[in-house]
Amino acid sequence: GENVEQHPSTLSVQEGDSAVIKCTYSDSASNYFPWYKQELGKRPQLIIDIRSNVGEKKDQRIAVTLNKTAKHFSLHITETQPEDSAVYFCAAITSGGSYIPTFGRGTSLIVHP
Amino acid sequence: DTAVSQTPKYLVTQMGNDKSIKCEQNLGHDTMYWYKQDSKKFLKIMFSYNNKELIINETVPNRFSPKSPDKAHLNLHINSLELGDSAVYFCASSQAGLAGNTQYFGPGTRLTVL
Repeated sequence: GENVEQHPSTLSVQEGDSAVIKCTYSDSASNYFPWYKQELGKRPQLIIDIRSNVGEKKDQRIAVTLNKTAKHFSLHITETQPEDSAVYFCAAITSGGSYIPTFGRGTSLIVHP
Repeated sequence: DTAVSQTPKYLVTQMGNDKSIKCEQNLGHDTMYWYKQDSKKFLKIMFSYNNKELIINETVPNRFSPKSPDKAHLNLHINSLELGDSAVYFCASSQAGLAGNTQYFGPGTRLTVL
């Protein structure tokens, strides 16, 4: 089955700095990679996703990159703000397969004002 | 409009009791899930239910049983509750094939077993 590794488990940055969270996956059939943000006491919510036919996707201050050959993908947050503080989860899914997502273990991002 | 809803939001109970958590989605999705999130924030999938096909995570004890009266509802029944069952339980739904299977989560149920 799929295995997703996520690093780091905790990331502490100053407001305005950039933050990068990295994930690797094991199943080369995985072709859809969403990222979820979970604020304290709230539900996880999708913030950005990327498909295997795309190398990079951007949405304002967040971007995701995918390297299919190396089987890793990353979340980039620029100009971090205190409201970016949350737990971020990556996931890998095989569309056309079971569709069941495999989640990484999460990264707790802390943005200090 | 609430897309995925769960009740109750909080559940405090004694060891050995039996309890249920209800979940409803109004998104018209075909697939629903139950996740367990422990104190370390790890999201562990417990069940996936799609068009009457139940996919079970084999590590889930058989004290946990999902029940789906229709495709908009997936309830979770837990027998003989144990201390280690304390966690936040999230229901989710998705439409496989659409947008790659984005998960829409409910607000969560915080279960505390005393």
